Amino acid sequence: QQQVRQSPQSLTVWEGETAILNCSYEDSTFNYFPWYQQFPGEGPALLISISSVSDKKEDGRFTIFFNKREKKLSLHITDSQPGDSATYFCAASGRGGSAKLIFGEGTKLTVSS
Amino acid sequence: GGIITQTPKFLIGQEGQKLTLKCQQNFNHDTMYWYRQDSGKGLRLIYYSITENDLQKGDLSEGYDASREKKSSFSLTVTSAQKNEMAVFLCASSINWGYEQYFGPGTRLTVL
Repeated sequence: QQQVRQSPQSLTVWEGETAILNCSYEDSTFNYFPWYQQFPGEGPALLISISSVSDKKEDGRFTIFFNKREKKLSLHITDSQPGDSATYFCAASGRGGSAKLIFGEGTKLTVSS
Repeated sequence: GGIITQTPKFLIGQEGQKLTLKCQQNFNHDTMYWYRQDSGKGLRLIYYSITENDLQKGDLSEGYDASREKKSSFSLTVTSAQKNEMAVFLCASSINWGYEQYFGPGTRLTVL
């Protein structure tokens, strides 16, 4: 069964620290990995994504590190802010006919000031 | 830019009742999706429609029907509401199958 796993389930960091959210997958045909950010009462919003041809993708304070051999990726949020407090979902898909997105169960991030 | 509108925001029904959730998008996207999000869980795909005249079952289609009335709208029907399917139902769209998905704010379903 295709699965995407995330850890930890919840994470608390202090303002200014780096939060590290982990994700792993099983299906070696997955080649597209978006991360979604969800605030309470809202739908998920695409935050940043990476394809399997890259090992790193950066967008401001958000960076994805991707290890294809180990089928693992991580989202690093540097200089964490209270406004980053949200649930973050890792997802994965192949392309073409296998392009269905498989979501992990999410990591709830709390940034304390 | 565009927006996805889901109605109603909150839906309360009785066990066994047939309930309909509606979704509209003005992105002019071809593909639309319905997901279910249980509390503290990830999203599971119920139905999707790649183009206006298409309808495909996802992983969780049992107990649900869907209808793509036109390119901009996609409805989901809970055929017989059960207490164990109280969740948030999320609609999404993408320019085409396999491309980035944009989500609506969700409909929270409560079954009494």
